[in-house]
Amino acid sequence: GNSVTQMEGPVTLSEEAFLTINCTYTATGYPSLFWYVQYPGEGLQLLLKATKADDKGSNKGFEATYRKETTSFHLEKGSVQVSDSAVYFCALIGYNQGGKLIFGQGTELSVKP
Amino acid sequence: NAGVMQNPRHLVRRRGQEARLRCSPMKGHSHVYWYRQLPEEGLKFMVYLQKENIIDESGMPKERFSAEFPKEGPSILRIQQVVRGDSAAYFCASSPRGEPQETQYFGPGTRLLVL
Repeated sequence: GNSVTQMEGPVTLSEEAFLTINCTYTATGYPSLFWYVQYPGEGLQLLLKATKADDKGSNKGFEATYRKETTSFHLEKGSVQVSDSAVYFCALIGYNQGGKLIFGQGTELSVKP
Repeated sequence: NAGVMQNPRHLVRRRGQEARLRCSPMKGHSHVYWYRQLPEEGLKFMVYLQKENIIDESGMPKERFSAEFPKEGPSILRIQQVVRGDSAAYFCASSPRGEPQETQYFGPGTRLLVL
């Protein structure tokens, strides 16, 4: 079946450091790929998405590129801020799977001043 | 345009009681999804509903759990005879057309604690 694997956290960085959170997936066909962010005590917010191979999603300085050949969708940001501290979830919706989002286990990011 | 609304935000129940969680989708959205986040775990899909129809309930436990999305009113996730293992955050999301590439918009969640 379809699945998503994320790098384990927690990840602790200093402000202005470079961020990479790895995400790989297993799916048949061409899934749509998403990154969601969850701040403490809140629901999930869409951070970015990509719906076909080689698409790059970007938002608020975060980027991720849909790599079909490596089945990856790694999240990157060039310079993190304390306000980026949150849990980040990689997710997919499989082709012909309606709205069933399949999530990775989440990666907690803590950014220190 | 108000976002997805869920109530209550926090719910405490004793073992054996019933829990009813409500979700009002964004205006114009007719597709609703429920997810559960157990402590220290990621989110797991439970059920996908369109108005008056259950589209996919492959993630719902076979017993005690049910969901509905009536023609009028919010979607309801109902848990009968709750047990401690039901303690979790339950999130509802909605989308306009139910297409795979669409963004799902999440509510703030209901945190259920079973004593």
